[in-house]
Amino acid sequence: AQTVTQSQPEMSVQEAETVTLSCTYDTSESDYYLFWYKQPPSRQMILVIRQEAYKQQNATENRFSVNFQKAAKSFSLKISDSQLGDAAMYFCAYSSETSGSRLTFGEGTQLTVNP
Amino acid sequence: EAGVVQSPRYKIIEKKQPVAFWCNPISGHNTLYWYRQNLGQGPELLIRYENEEAVDDSQLPKDRFSAERLKGVDSTLKIQPAELGDSAVYLCASSLVGEKDGYTFGSGTRLTVV
Repeated sequence: AQTVTQSQPEMSVQEAETVTLSCTYDTSESDYYLFWYKQPPSRQMILVIRQEAYKQQNATENRFSVNFQKAAKSFSLKISDSQLGDAAMYFCAYSSETSGSRLTFGEGTQLTVNP
Repeated sequence: EAGVVQSPRYKIIEKKQPVAFWCNPISGHNTLYWYRQNLGQGPELLIRYENEEAVDDSQLPKDRFSAERLKGVDSTLKIQPAELGDSAVYLCASSLVGEKDGYTFGSGTRLTVV
């Protein structure tokens, strides 16, 4: 079974600075998808960024980018120019064709942005 | 366009009582998911529907949980009887079949069993 691990329960960053959230996963599959979701106090899970395992190029969405290391099974999220609105719980998630689009989530990292 | 709508937003019940949660997915989305999120943890899939058919319910505790998706649109998740350990946030999500861009989640129902 696939597992996703986030080893940082909490992180903090100063406004306008850069922060990196870590995620590792375990799988025997070669084709899969990785996601970062943001969950603010409203509880709605919001997709931040996604990465397809067969793509070597790291995904980027505005201030958000990932460092995908397939051999190391690592998928970190970098947030540049952090804003107060970035404060939330961030979840790393895994999905694959064989899992039937089931998302397997990590435990989450609570990000605080200090003004 | 309305997102995934869930109700109620909060529910407090006594143990052994029944409870039901409702979800209306995004129009046209034929795949619907129910996830449970325990405090301080990531969500875990309970059941996945493709249209009216439950195609993955392996994690659904069938002794007390049931779900239905009549007409392949909105869905109801029921717990009867509720236990203290059922306290959690119940999230609904929807997507198109084969969608690779992740799903759209609702805001969830926070259940407290006392």
